[in-house]
Amino acid sequence: QSALTQPASVSGSPGQSITISCTGTSSDVGGYNYVSWYQQHPGKAPKLMIYEVSNRPSGVPDRFSGSKSGNTASLTISGLQAEDEADYYCSSYTSSSTVFGGGTKLTVL
Amino acid sequence: EVQLVESGGGLVKPGGSLRLSCAASGFTFSSYSMNWVRQAPGKGLEWVSSISSSSSYIYYADSVKGRFTISRDNAKNSLYLQMNSLRAEDTAVYYCARERYSSRRYGMDVWGQGTTVTVSS
Repeated sequence: QSALTQPASVSGSPGQSITISCTGTSSDVGGYNYVSWYQQHPGKAPKLMIYEVSNRPSGVPDRFSGSKSGNTASLTISGLQAEDEADYYCSSYTSSSTVFGGGTKLTVL
Repeated sequence: EVQLVESGGGLVKPGGSLRLSCAASGFTFSSYSMNWVRQAPGKGLEWVSSISSSSSYIYYADSVKGRFTISRDNAKNSLYLQMNSLRAEDTAVYYCARERYSSRRYGMDVWGQGTTVTVSS
């Protein structure tokens, strides 16, 4: 049950696009199309942003998109806005557990 | 309104026990798989345990296996986490989170506000 690997931090200016990677193994990210992404603002509960690799829940802006290639999943945020500044976590299903990434702090410059 | 409300957190000594509860409302609780997820101070999210809609399938993180027990009462729309043999490293905010469907894997779409557990002498 090793954590998925995410960059500790990323940054971008308003209007730009950024991508956060999430690297696992063939036992988690690479083995299933069950990767989710969560946004967490300070002191708040996490919010589901992407499920099953690339699907957005109702109410999540289409600026948020997800993809996967091999053992690495990615979250892309286009047209960055100030309110996107938050921590982002990926997670993956495994046959015996759910595993999260270590989290990425997104700073909007 | 779809809502999850956790309770039962507090200060406990190492080796002690605590039972967390999560009250669900606004949806058909018995149709969804449920999770406990924790977050240590200043750290990331850590999945703790999952239970399927009918309690048929239960899973634990290695870090809590043998010490924590997840359960649910669909008649009371409630989820529980019995925590025994608590350690300092169990100190965290504990979130209750709903899976999108009856089994885990589809993403956690509803979260509670969290309850804080502090393990300290």
